[in-house]
Parts: sequence; structure tokens; C-alpha cells
Amino acid sequence: NAGVTQTPKFQVLKTGQSMTLQCAQDMNHNSMYWYRQDPGMGLRLIYYSASEGTTDKGEVPNGYNVSRLNKREFSLRLESAAPSQTSVYFCASSTHREGTEAFFGQGTRLTVV
Amino acid sequence: AQKITQTQPGMFVQEKEAVTLDCTYDTSDQSYGLFWYKQPSSGEMIFLIYQGSYDEQNATEGRYSLNFQKARKSANLVISASQLGDSAMYFCAMRAFYGNNRLAFGKGNQVVVIP
Repeated sequence: NAGVTQTPKFQVLKTGQSMTLQCAQDMNHNSMYWYRQDPGMGLRLIYYSASEGTTDKGEVPNGYNVSRLNKREFSLRLESAAPSQTSVYFCASSTHREGTEAFFGQGTRLTVV
Repeated sequence: AQKITQTQPGMFVQEKEAVTLDCTYDTSDQSYGLFWYKQPSSGEMIFLIYQGSYDEQNATEGRYSLNFQKARKSANLVISASQLGDSAMYFCAMRAFYGNNRLAFGKGNQVVVIP
């Protein structure tokens, strides 16, 4: 079972470059999430999508855009990368049902120089 | 908005001993779930245990148990009989099941198990 697949796993960008992080899940989940993880800060929510066609800002949305392309895919775009966006990015998905956990991708380690 | 607080500094625990990781949360939602995840040094997020806000009994999963005190908004994780492989970051998380059901995380607790 693939679960949640994120690509790429590693990326180095120059300041000002753009890129899109891809995420796909094969569990028919309604909700999808993008987080960033920085040392000592835990996982901070960037954007969230409760269902296909809907997206909401999370705790740290500035500098990012998202697209919920369909039920399976939720992409995160950095239009003009900044060194402050150096981080590990996680995509996750879940159902809305009580008692069900979120499943995570393997993470993308992004460095902006 | 939900807020999850994990304030303990890094913890060292002797192998085979128990360790308790504190988590408090703040929410106005009545129906919600609490989750604990483990993140080893390899980086993946591993789900450990779940507690629903209406569950009357504390959740248990093998060596993991959750000490849930709803009135105090506390959901502490207890790891019994620690093993070297338990060395990791541990994150507490919360999700409401109606309305705003985004998943919010605390900052984590670092645990190092020593032989």
C-alpha cells in the first residue's frame, strides 16, 4: 500500500526560485494537510483542505499556495523561495471520522540558499 | 483555535523504566480526538495511540497508554518498560470532529532511552 506519497524527498533551491511539492494519497481521504517542521517548533500547519475544491490557511501560510487538484492530490507551491522556508515539509491525509488517525508522507527536506 | 502544549525539556529514561510525557490542550470543541505520534531520527511520523473526547476509559496500545483527564484538558502519554528503540520525538495532536477539523500539533518531547 502506497499511503501518502510526497515528491521530491530532497530539494535545494536558490532564493527567488519557485517549486511545487507534490502529495498524493490512495486511501480515499477527504482531508489533506501540509505542515512544516523546524527544530523546536513542532509541526506547524501551512494549509489544509477538508475536501476536494476547498482549502484553508493554517498557522503559517505566508509565502505558500496550495491546490487540491482532486481528491487524491494536494500540492504546495513556493512562488519565490526564501531562506526562511528552509524546512522539512510533511503532507498528511485523514478521514473526517472519529477515531481515525492521520497518515503522513515521508517528508521533503527543502533547503533554500 | 486549538492549542497544544508540550513543555517538558528533553528527557532521559533508563531502559525498562516507564516515562510519562505531558500534553495539555485548549479547545472550545466538545467532540474531538487526541493523538500521539512518534518521530524517530529517521524522520517518519508513526501513529501511536488515540483517545476520543467521549471515551470513558483511557486508551491503551501495547506499551503505550494515555492518561486522559478531560476536565483538566490533559492527555499524557505513558510508555511502559522503555526500550532503546523508544528514543525519539513524541508529538501530541488534536483534531475536532465537527466544524474546524484541522489537525494541530504540540512542539514535541524528546526522549532518549539509556541502557
